[in-house]
Amino acid sequence: GQSLEQPSEVTAVEGAIVQINCTYQTSGFYGLSWYQQHDGGAPTFLSYNALDGLEETGRFSSFLSRSDSYGYLLLQELQMKDSASYFCAVKSGNTPLVFGKGTRLSVIA
Amino acid sequence: DAMVIQNPRYQVTQFGKPVTLSCSQTLNHNVMYWYQQKSSQAPKLLFHYYDKDFNNEADTPDNFQSRRPNTSFCFLDIRSPGLGDAAMYLCATSKPTSGRWALYNEQFFGPGTRLTVL
Repeated sequence: GQSLEQPSEVTAVEGAIVQINCTYQTSGFYGLSWYQQHDGGAPTFLSYNALDGLEETGRFSSFLSRSDSYGYLLLQELQMKDSASYFCAVKSGNTPLVFGKGTRLSVIA
Repeated sequence: DAMVIQNPRYQVTQFGKPVTLSCSQTLNHNVMYWYQQKSSQAPKLLFHYYDKDFNNEADTPDNFQSRRPNTSFCFLDIRSPGLGDAAMYLCATSKPTSGRWALYNEQFFGPGTRLTVL
């Protein structure tokens, strides 16, 4: 089967940097995705890593290490609007995405 | 704008009364998914369609059915809703970039339908 682990909650200060980690166990791994979901809203795609290394999109970056079955989402210059839940999701084999349980990020002033 | 639309946004039904949720997409994506999401939990995949090929998750209750009459529309039928079925139901689409699943990298979600069971 597949499993993902990520912290349930993270709190960070406005303007700071926060890293949300995700470890996974799966076979036939293709890639790791990150989704953001605000309360009451739908998940929205943030990033996808199929290869080792860092992918940067504006204030958000995502990292993958396939050998360590580990990735993280890095959010820089935190803003209050970044308060949301962040899900890592694994794509492997012939199966659809499997989502982690989500990390609730609270950005405080 | 191309998008995923879900109707209604809020649905109230009575215990045991059948209910249908709808999803439409203008993205022309091959794959459509139905997820159930309860408060503070991850989206849980119920089933998905690759074109007309239906794929049911092993732990999806028989109470949940789905129909996809064409590329654009997909329906979720809950035959006899129980109190435990109260949740947000999310529809999503994707278009594999190579082969059936290879290099897949993004799902597009609709706004969801929040189902209340009285």
